[in-house]
Amino acid sequence: AQSVAQPEDQVNVAEGNPLTVKCTYSVSGNPYLFWYVQYPNRGLQFLLKYITGDNLVKGSYGFEAEFNKSQTSFHLKKPSALVSDSALYFCAVRDPRWGSSASKIIFGSGTRLSIRP
Amino acid sequence: ETGVTQSPTHLIKTRGQQVTLRCSSQSGHNTVSWYQQALGQGPQFIFQYYREEENGRGNFPPRFSGLQFPNYSSELNVNALELDDSALYLCASSRSGGTGGNNEQFFGPGTRLTVL
Repeated sequence: AQSVAQPEDQVNVAEGNPLTVKCTYSVSGNPYLFWYVQYPNRGLQFLLKYITGDNLVKGSYGFEAEFNKSQTSFHLKKPSALVSDSALYFCAVRDPRWGSSASKIIFGSGTRLSIRP
Repeated sequence: ETGVTQSPTHLIKTRGQQVTLRCSSQSGHNTVSWYQQALGQGPQFIFQYYREEENGRGNFPPRFSGLQFPNYSSELNVNALELDDSALYLCASSRSGGTGGNNEQFFGPGTRLTVL
């Protein structure tokens, strides 16, 4: 079955340090992968996506993610964390075999990122 | 902020009642998806509407139904409410048209439904 795993419920990082939020997926074939961020009392905001091409994807707010097919991972990274990066982060996957629509995206359970000053 | 709006912001209902949630999609977007986000969990896909027809459905019972209107806005209807229906309901719009599977979705702020 298709799934997404975010193994860490919470990640704590000091401001200025690099951060990594982990995501692994289980989808047959070549997946479409996404990262979203959710701030308190707000909807999800799109950060970045991987469809095809370069394994390193750059997104909003200085975030990037690396697609690793052999490890079925799509970890989110940022070289230097900001306190304002503190939020809930969701990894999501879509199997392109599900059809040409944007439906049936599967989200992970989320990782709470906490950046301390 | 995205251009996706949802109403109402909060809603309290009792078991057995019916509820209608509304969503206005971002300008230029023709596809609307609905998600249920229970506390502490990731969003779960309910269904998607494209060109006023349901275009994919997750593992939700038929008492969850929806509509999409010619202006691409959408409604989510839930009948016979159960306690477990308490959640944040998120609407997301995107630009599809047959090849939109790789297009990101833009989410509204959600409607928090509490069922007592």
